[in-house]
Amino acid sequence: QKEVEQNSGPLSVPEGAIASLNCTYSDRGSQSFFWYRQYSGKSPELIMSIYSNGDKEDGRFTAQLNKASQYVSLLIRDSQPSDSATYLCAVAGVNTGNQFYFGTGTSLTVIP
Amino acid sequence: DVKVTQSSRYLVKRTGEKVFLECVQDMDHENMFWYRQDPGLGLRLIYFSYDVKMKEKGDIPEGYSVSREKKERFSLILESASTNQTSMYLCASSLSGLGVTEAFFGQGTRLTVV
Repeated sequence: QKEVEQNSGPLSVPEGAIASLNCTYSDRGSQSFFWYRQYSGKSPELIMSIYSNGDKEDGRFTAQLNKASQYVSLLIRDSQPSDSATYLCAVAGVNTGNQFYFGTGTSLTVIP
Repeated sequence: DVKVTQSSRYLVKRTGEKVFLECVQDMDHENMFWYRQDPGLGLRLIYFSYDVKMKEKGDIPEGYSVSREKKERFSLILESASTNQTSMYLCASSLSGLGVTEAFFGQGTRLTVV
């Protein structure tokens, strides 16, 4: 069983602060890593994908990957109330038959 | 834009009924997936398909079957619906290749079995 673990939260941050979301995974052969945002009652939407060690920035979002530690994180700078959602970490690899393994999600609330 | 479309947003069925959930994608993706999502349990893979007429069981296939007769369409079938199959069902698709690219999700079907 491939495991993806996320800090369960809920996480609350004030507006304008940095939100930090963390994820660990068990399969060392994983190659592709994704962060999805899911609003209540809606389907997940992709925020970030990262495939190599280091940081990847896109606007207010930064994904960080450390394959040696089997760790991936998402930083949200200048958090806005509209960022309030559940964030899902997903891991995939060709050696797992292109399947995606999801964490259970971290609920984030940004307080105005 | 990739579009994954599920046939129903909300569905109410009776116990014992045969239920069909349809999913269509328009980006020629090889891989298609069916998940269910329940509070506290996250996304759990029911079945996936990497090609027409090919299917693989996921983590929770019991009580479900699937059909993929055409590349763009992946159907989930509940053979005899039960109340414990009340859930949000999500279809997704992704490209196949040297690496794994992101999965795109449909809008979800909230199924209630009474």
